[in-house]
Amino acid sequence: EIVMTQSPATLSVSPGGKATLSCRASQSVISNLAWYQQKPGQAPRLLIFGASTRATGIPARFSGSGSGTEFTLTISSLQSEDFTVYYCQHYNNWPPLYTFGQGTKLEIK
Amino acid sequence: QVQLVESGGGVVQPGRSLRLSCAASGFTFSSYSMHWVRQAPGKGLEWVAIISFDGSYKYYADSVKGRFTISRDNSRNTLYLQMNSLRVEDTAVYYCARDLAVVIAIPAYWGQGTLVTVSS
Repeated sequence: EIVMTQSPATLSVSPGGKATLSCRASQSVISNLAWYQQKPGQAPRLLIFGASTRATGIPARFSGSGSGTEFTLTISSLQSEDFTVYYCQHYNNWPPLYTFGQGTKLEIK
Repeated sequence: QVQLVESGGGVVQPGRSLRLSCAASGFTFSSYSMHWVRQAPGKGLEWVAIISFDGSYKYYADSVKGRFTISRDNSRNTLYLQMNSLRVEDTAVYYCARDLAVVIAIPAYWGQGTLVTVSS
C-alpha cells in the first residue's frame, strides 16, 4: 500500500507571497499525482493532475512539479481565496486505487 | 455543465444499512467512470469506490470492501452506494465524483456531498 505524506501540516505565508507544499510517496508513483483544493463546506476542486498539468480553469499561479516520490505544489502571488486546505492524491491506473495525503492547511501569516 | 447531486444521507444505527444516490446531469453519464469519496468530520479525504462507465468493473477501498456496493443505472443517470453493516467510523460526508475524462480516471467533478452519521 502506498502512503502519501504531506508537509507541512500547516503553512503560514503572507498574501502576495509564494507557498510551497510538499507531498511524498512511500514508493514511486511515477507522475500519477493530483492536487486538490478544498474550501470549508465545499467539495474538493481538482487543480493539478499528472503531477504538473493544470486542470481546466485553474490560474497559472498554481503549478505542480516532481516525479517518483517527491512532489511540490507551488502557489505564487497568493490571493485571499487561496488560503485553505490542499490535498495530494496518488492514482493507480490498474487496478484503480486512489490514496490521498492528509492535507496541508495554508493560512495567512 | 456537469452537475452531481447526492442524496440519501442521514442518521443510522451501527449495523444497519443505507443507500446513497447521485443524480448526474450535464454530460453523457454512460461514458464516464464514477467514484465515491468520503470525508469524516474535520478529517481528510478517503477514496471509497469506483465503477466503470458500463458497470463491468468495480473497486473498493479495503475499509469498505465486503460491506459497500457501488452500482449505476445509466438509463436513469444515477450512481448508487449501498452501505451495509455500517460502523461508527463510516460517519462522513460522502461525495460522488466523475472522472476528468473518458480515459483519465481521476475524480474531477464533485457533488456537494451528503452526510451519513452512524450512531446509536
